[in-house]
Amino acid sequence: GAGVSQTPSNKVTEKGKYVELRCDPISGHTALYWYRQSLGQGPEFLIYFQGTGAADDSGLPNDRFFAVRPEGSVSTLKIQRTERGDSAVYLCASRRGTSNSPLHFGNGTRLTVT
Amino acid sequence: GENVEQHPSTLSVQEGDSAVIKCTYSDSASNYFPWYKQELGKGPQLIIDIRSNVGEKKDQRIAVTLNKTAKHFSLHITETQPEDSAVYFCAASMRSNNDMRFGAGTRLTVKP
Repeated sequence: GAGVSQTPSNKVTEKGKYVELRCDPISGHTALYWYRQSLGQGPEFLIYFQGTGAADDSGLPNDRFFAVRPEGSVSTLKIQRTERGDSAVYLCASRRGTSNSPLHFGNGTRLTVT
Repeated sequence: GENVEQHPSTLSVQEGDSAVIKCTYSDSASNYFPWYKQELGKGPQLIIDIRSNVGEKKDQRIAVTLNKTAKHFSLHITETQPEDSAVYFCAASMRSNNDMRFGAGTRLTVKP
């Protein structure tokens, strides 16, 4: 079946611009996660949704970052006033919603801020 | 919150040898421990997982062991092949908050 889909696969933007990154989770997965991965590092937790609500947004680095999941399926990660330090791969993952089930990852969006 | 540490950061083995990667976690409430393999340009892919009610799990050439008392778990790959070369991540997840935190990764190179 279809896996987690992330679009775009690559995004280049200028410093100060606004970007949106999209994630389509696996159908039926109620939990959705966003991670950020810098070169040579492990995935860094940003935010986790259970259904439509953000159950834990403690990983968002500052108020320039925001994510929504209005209908409990597709999610959008929004970054305002981008900075060069925001350059990274943004990974989305979904799971069935139980704590002892695996996360299924998309291939990520590589964001480059110039 | 949970803190996961992983070592070594790089590991190079000869084809056919075994590879072992170790992780420790900080929160005794963690109950689920997956391992992921990540190839260049792709997202992490689950290769094996273990839950806190068992101490060992094996799937062909891959095995994972868990020591809850010491709060550490390990990945064992036997008879390594060049296609095993990738970055491997451990992770830990808690029932109470569905959080999942990752180690920093181990770059495994299998030399033919």
